[in-house]
Amino acid sequence: EAQVTQNPRYLITVTGKKLTVTCSQNMNHEYMSWYRQDPGLGLRQIYYSMNVEVTDKGDVPEGYKVSRKEKRNFPLILESPSPNQTSLYFCASSLSSGASGIKKSEFFGPGTRLTVL
Amino acid sequence: DQQVKQNSPSLSVQEGRISILNCDYTNSMFDYFLWYKKYPAEGPTFLISISSIKDKNEDGRFTVFLNKSAKHLSLHIVPSQPGDSAVYFCAASVSEAGANNLFFGTGTRLTVIP
Repeated sequence: EAQVTQNPRYLITVTGKKLTVTCSQNMNHEYMSWYRQDPGLGLRQIYYSMNVEVTDKGDVPEGYKVSRKEKRNFPLILESPSPNQTSLYFCASSLSSGASGIKKSEFFGPGTRLTVL
Repeated sequence: DQQVKQNSPSLSVQEGRISILNCDYTNSMFDYFLWYKKYPAEGPTFLISISSIKDKNEDGRFTVFLNKSAKHLSLHIVPSQPGDSAVYFCAASVSEAGANNLFFGTGTRLTVIP
């Protein structure tokens, strides 16, 4: 079954304690991205990756890191979480649009609800 | 500042009637638009999209209309069914090659009343 998986699904942590949220896709997609969803703000992109070892900042990258060592995995790292990073996080993947410019819809994971105390 | 806006946070519609969800955008560079549907405790799922070279795209009960001059798009669901009850997000992007950055609206919660 084609899917994007995220772990953990729920996490409560304390300020300053480093954490990693994993994301994995089994569709051989080149493009992966991370979003956070907050009330009244919709989904905002944190980071994206167009392929292995190629990552770039989205709209709200501050306080986050990512890596893309393998095509299937795109972990989100919070080196020193703060309460304003309490949010619902989604990982997504898609085929790259390529030179044709035709966009591909993104497949989203089920979400990770993070609470930072 | 939100580049994609959904000004109605919620909408209730009777089963069988038409649901119309609206979305406005400010960036004239956007040329590709998508609608996503989200159920509680799940990630958003792709519903329908439209390129700026079109003004309408239809897929079964779902039709998206694009008015470029007004920077406005809408999603029509006809007939509405209880299973359509969900949060709907519109999203927009610029189609430069290789770039997939999506800008999302804040969502509209649709409730279809049986």
